[in-house]
Formats: sequence, structure tokens, C-alpha cells
Amino acid sequence: DTGVSQDPRHKITKRGQNVTFRCDPISEHNRLYWYRQTLGQGPEFLTYFQNEAQLEKSRLLSDRFSAERPKGSFSTLEIQRTEQGDSAMYLCASRRSRDYRWPQHNEQFFGPGTRLTVL
Amino acid sequence: AQTVTQSQPEMSVQEAETVTLSCTYDTSENNYYLFWYKQPPSRQMILVIRQEAYKQQNATENRFSVNFQKAAKSFSLKISDSQLGDTAMYFCAFMKRTNDMRFGAGTRLTVKP
Repeated sequence: DTGVSQDPRHKITKRGQNVTFRCDPISEHNRLYWYRQTLGQGPEFLTYFQNEAQLEKSRLLSDRFSAERPKGSFSTLEIQRTEQGDSAMYLCASRRSRDYRWPQHNEQFFGPGTRLTVL
Repeated sequence: AQTVTQSQPEMSVQEAETVTLSCTYDTSENNYYLFWYKQPPSRQMILVIRQEAYKQQNATENRFSVNFQKAAKSFSLKISDSQLGDTAMYFCAFMKRTNDMRFGAGTRLTVKP
């Protein structure tokens, strides 16, 4: 396991279509995060999971967005009825739960991202 | 809400010189973590250095060091002996003990030969 992987790397779609992205975290990481990054900006938090439970969602995550992590391993992010404003890089990150014995485990490891272009 | 501010959209430095990137943040928390991440062009984000807020000693990782001023809520990154491979976007990030990470808008650093 060499790191966090995301699929696809690029997606071009027409406005109004639905798209789904996949993230495979590092295998022993029980926390998984989704971020959105627009050009020239830092990543913005969307949501995160601990195992299969979705524990927090940002206000950025409108009702057209849904994320799942059914078995506590890989996760999917679906955008329904895409809009041009959804065009961005969608980043996934994973880490272990915080453990006082290993503080370095609070580091989030990022995947390469899925670049979405909505025409 | 926590906010992270990077006031330098772009910076440049000559190879082998030293450069400092600024970051300030706003929080009411006492326990938290601060990070600098590097995002090279068309490549994924990687961690450069981390700092635990309860530690007074500034973190150091080889050519990278931070100046953490908790009272001033300042967290700058110093890169010594800059190398061409340091060219990238640099993001300062804040994380509470348990939750999501908040990023600044980034500083684009160019190392010139």
C-alpha cells in the first residue's frame, strides 16, 4: 500500500449530470476526509468519516453532494445535477485516529485528487 | 470558527538562499496542531513540518523550521538553503485535536537558479 489513491484523476461532465468519485485510503487509517480545492486556493473541508460513520459535514456540502464509506474502507463522493461552480479538484485524505502515544499519527495523507470540469 | 491567513500570495528566492513564509491563525482553542504542507505543480500534497501547540520548542525538519508564536497566533516557515525542488505551493493548516484541517489560501514559492 503506497498511499491514498483516487479515481478517476480527471472527469469532464456536462452540467446537470451526476458524477461519482472514489477514494481508497491507506489501509490502516480509520479516518477519511474529503476536501475541495479551487484554483489558487487552499483545500476546503467537506466531510469526514471515522470508519463507516460520517461524523461531520461542512456547510459547503449541499444536498446535491453525498458521501459514503459503507465498509469503513474506500469512500465515494457523489455530486448530483452538477453545476459549473462544482468545477474543482476534489481531494481525499486519510489518517489514524489521534493517539497520544503516536502524535505523529495526526498527519493527514493526501491523495492526488480528482479534477472535475463541468461544462 | 478557525481561520488561517497567508498574506503572501507569491514569493521567490534564489537557490541556496533562505526564505520565510508567513502564516497567522485565529482560534479560541488552547490545544491544536499546525502544519505546513507543500503541493508541487500537478503533484499531491505532502507534509513538510508539524507543530503541537502545547510544545514551546519550534519544530525543525532538516532545512525546514518554524517560528511558532502562540500568543501572537503566528506560525511562519523558514526554508534554508533553498533548492529548485522546493518550488511549490505552500499551505499553512490548523487542526483542532479531533477534527478537520483548515487551510490558508497558500503561498506560491518559486526558487530561481
